[in-house]
Amino acid sequence: EIVMTQSPATLSASPGERVTLSCRASESVRSYLAWYQQIAGQAPRLLIYGAYTRASGTPARFSASGSGTEFTLTISGLQSEDFAVYYCQQYSSWPPGYTFGQGTKLEIK
Amino acid sequence: EVQLVESGGGLVQPGGSLKLSCAVSGFSVTTSEITWIRQAPGKGLEWISYISAIDGSKYYADSVKGRFTVSRDNGNNSILLQMNSLRADDTAVYYCAKRGGASVTRRFLEFWGQGTLVTVS
Repeated sequence: EIVMTQSPATLSASPGERVTLSCRASESVRSYLAWYQQIAGQAPRLLIYGAYTRASGTPARFSASGSGTEFTLTISGLQSEDFAVYYCQQYSSWPPGYTFGQGTKLEIK
Repeated sequence: EVQLVESGGGLVQPGGSLKLSCAVSGFSVTTSEITWIRQAPGKGLEWISYISAIDGSKYYADSVKGRFTVSRDNGNNSILLQMNSLRADDTAVYYCAKRGGASVTRRFLEFWGQGTLVTVS
């Protein structure tokens, strides 16, 4: 099973700042990597797929890159609605199923 | 508009059963790939089950294999998750989600329901 590891577990930042979240796969997932945002009390929402393609409705301040085993999600100019938990997920290995990272909580400094 | 709505959650005793439903609109369950994901309180996301629209094949996480069964209700355009022999560690919010498509490049989870809470106690 492919293990996804996200860092840091928690990130404190201020509105307007630029932040970068990391995701590492235990083996290559090529570009089959998605990022999801989960605001407290809500369902996850797809942000990025194919490692760097923004999903419909994802603001341009969200950008992502990477392939193989190393991936990053960058948010430029943090807005209040961006403080949430972010999960990466690989969909390269199927079956048996998806694996998610443990999440990075982005909190207000 | 694509929508997924889960229902059927609630409080159940250990060893009990519950059936969740994922009612969809804006697309057909006969042509879309649907996945169940759960999230224990304060924890991350865990994939638990999947049913294919193409061939009806079903997959389960080891944590639920042999206890949970996923099925399709074409008449009601919904996906069902029968959960038996429930344990305390099955307590979670259960989400259904629609894959972007069947091909490997579209396996991400494009649309999610709002979730239904299952409490085993």
